[in-house]
Amino acid sequence: QQQVKQSPQSLIVQKGGISIINCAYENTAFDYFPWYQQFPGKGPALLIAIRPDVSEKKEGRFTISFNKSAKQFSLHIMDSQPGDSATYFCAASLDARDDKIIFGKGTRLHILP
Amino acid sequence: DGGITQSPKYLFRKEGQNVTLSCEQNLNHDAMYWYRQDPGQGLRLIYYSQIVNDFQKGDIAEGYSVSREKKESFPLTVTSAQKNPTAFYLCASSGQGLGTEAFFGQGTRLTVV
Repeated sequence: QQQVKQSPQSLIVQKGGISIINCAYENTAFDYFPWYQQFPGKGPALLIAIRPDVSEKKEGRFTISFNKSAKQFSLHIMDSQPGDSATYFCAASLDARDDKIIFGKGTRLHILP
Repeated sequence: DGGITQSPKYLFRKEGQNVTLSCEQNLNHDAMYWYRQDPGQGLRLIYYSQIVNDFQKGDIAEGYSVSREKKESFPLTVTSAQKNPTAFYLCASSGQGLGTEAFFGQGTRLTVV
């Protein structure tokens, strides 16, 4: 119930292509779905986040698509660049005081120059 | 500058010794977290605290201990009971309520020899 399943584990995309990372969750009470980006040797940082009352959120080249009925959400990186090479984590949480953030296992993305 | 600070960045210890990792935040966040990151394992929750003087075990708490005597500080002790302590440790904090972004420190890489 508390898991967030992320795929693929690793992804290689040509420069200019679209990178797509998928996540699925089980707990329908989750109401906040962020994506974090992590560069080697650094801590993760928030990239973009969505709430279940919208089906899509776009910020620059990054878009989250959210399918509430399927309990799935995905990150799309348009016009992928070598600087996007990083590890990406999806996550889910509740807006409840006693709850914690649940992270997926991460996707290592490599953009070929 | 507001943020979350972990120290030291690199730490070497002999097997059998306890070691304490520091985590300080000046974001006035109630919630703080410790994660362990190993290659291919994603972010695994060790302990988390939603309020001062209270904390809960995460998924891999065995061999670790924490304290939360001040809102700003959440130190993690890796004890000699932790069988495989060499890892990258990440501390995070978050506020409560809508859009609960987690802010991460830069991490501490612990190597036990």
